Amino acid sequence: KAGVTQTPRYLIKTRGQQVTLSCSPISGHRSVSWYQQTPGQGLQFLFEYFSETQRNKGNFPGRFSGRQFSNSRSEMNVSTLELGDSALYLCASSLEGLQPQHFGDGTRLSIL
Amino acid sequence: QKEVEQDPGPLSVPEGAIVSLNCTYSNSAFQYFMWYRQYSRKGPELLMYTYSSGNKEDGRFTAQVDKSSKYISLFIRDSQPSDSATYLCAMSEGAGGTSYGKLTFGQGTILTVHP
Repeated sequence: KAGVTQTPRYLIKTRGQQVTLSCSPISGHRSVSWYQQTPGQGLQFLFEYFSETQRNKGNFPGRFSGRQFSNSRSEMNVSTLELGDSALYLCASSLEGLQPQHFGDGTRLSIL
Repeated sequence: QKEVEQDPGPLSVPEGAIVSLNCTYSNSAFQYFMWYRQYSRKGPELLMYTYSSGNKEDGRFTAQVDKSSKYISLFIRDSQPSDSATYLCAMSEGAGGTSYGKLTFGQGTILTVHP
């Protein structure tokens, strides 16, 4: 069974640009959560999607948004990039949002 | 104050040692407790998943949860150099509302097992 797949693995952007990250969950998993990982703040919850609906959201500005498609694949978008957005962005999937989450290897985003 | 506190280490032990990793938390609504292992340049890998208080064993790994003390532990027996990684504790609340899909993590403990 394939795991959680995130693309791309690495991205370099400049301040002010926007970026879209993609996540394909484990087959059969309908819940997708996104996290930001930085050395200073650790892993922080961004939002969770289930059946194409955002059910939960963390304390991040509105520049961070996401969506989920009917096949459960999810995308995350960050607009007007800032230097502080440099981080590893991780996607995790679970059956329905309350079971253990399984993570992808993340997208490393660097802002110049 | 963070909801979940974890000593970042680093922790260095000889091969074959018993490793003890711990987290404390302040949110009494946490009901599900997990331990993840993260290797460099990889995503977190689920090691242990427990519900409420008690012990759970899986091979060389034992997870303990003491909800009365708001304290969880992970023990690694017969540690191997391949166990060298960052270990993250994570917790979530029960069903409903703000708990869906949200894990709250500790800062992670960096473990090195030397031959």
